[in-house]
Amino acid sequence: GNSVTQMEGPVTLSEEAFLTINCTYTATGYPSLFWYVQYPGEGLQLLLKATKADDKGSNKGFEATYRKETTSFHLEKGSVQVSDSAVYFCALKGSGGYQKVTFGTGTKLQVIP
Amino acid sequence: EAGVVQSPRYKIIEKKQPVAFWCNPISGHNTLYWYRQNLGQGPELLIRYENEEAVDDSQLPKDRFSAERLKGVDSTLKIQPAELGDSAVYLCASSGTLLYNEQFFGPGTRLTVL
Repeated sequence: GNSVTQMEGPVTLSEEAFLTINCTYTATGYPSLFWYVQYPGEGLQLLLKATKADDKGSNKGFEATYRKETTSFHLEKGSVQVSDSAVYFCALKGSGGYQKVTFGTGTKLQVIP
Repeated sequence: EAGVVQSPRYKIIEKKQPVAFWCNPISGHNTLYWYRQNLGQGPELLIRYENEEAVDDSQLPKDRFSAERLKGVDSTLKIQPAELGDSAVYLCASSGTLLYNEQFFGPGTRLTVL
């Protein structure tokens, strides 16, 4: 079955530091890949997505590139802010008709001033 | 535009008691999802509705969990009786009808079973 593995947290960074959160996946075919963010006390929000190999999703300064050769979708941001503190979930959705979304376990990011 | 609304936000009950969660999806969204999110884990799908029909309930523990979506709008998820292991956040999400439509999540109901 489909699965997503992401780096364990918490990740603690100083403001303006570079962020990478690793995500790798296992799936057949050509899944769509997502990053969701969950701020404290809120539901998940879609941060960015990529639907085919070599696509780059980007939003709010975050980027992730769909790498089929390494089955990865790492999340990056060049300069984090305190307001980026949240839990980040990598997820995939299989190809072909309806497929449910499979989430990783989440990585908590703490950005300190 | 109003987002997905869930209530209550928090619920504390003793084991063996019943509990119900309510979800109002975004207006016009035909697809509704219930997820369970255990502490430190990602959400796991319990059930998916297309309008009023439950089209995927394979992960719903049917001995104690039930759900309904009367009239294809609001939905209720019930647990009876609750067990200690049911403590989790129950998330509702909704999406439109297109294949790649984004799922919009509600804030969740945090259930604590004592």
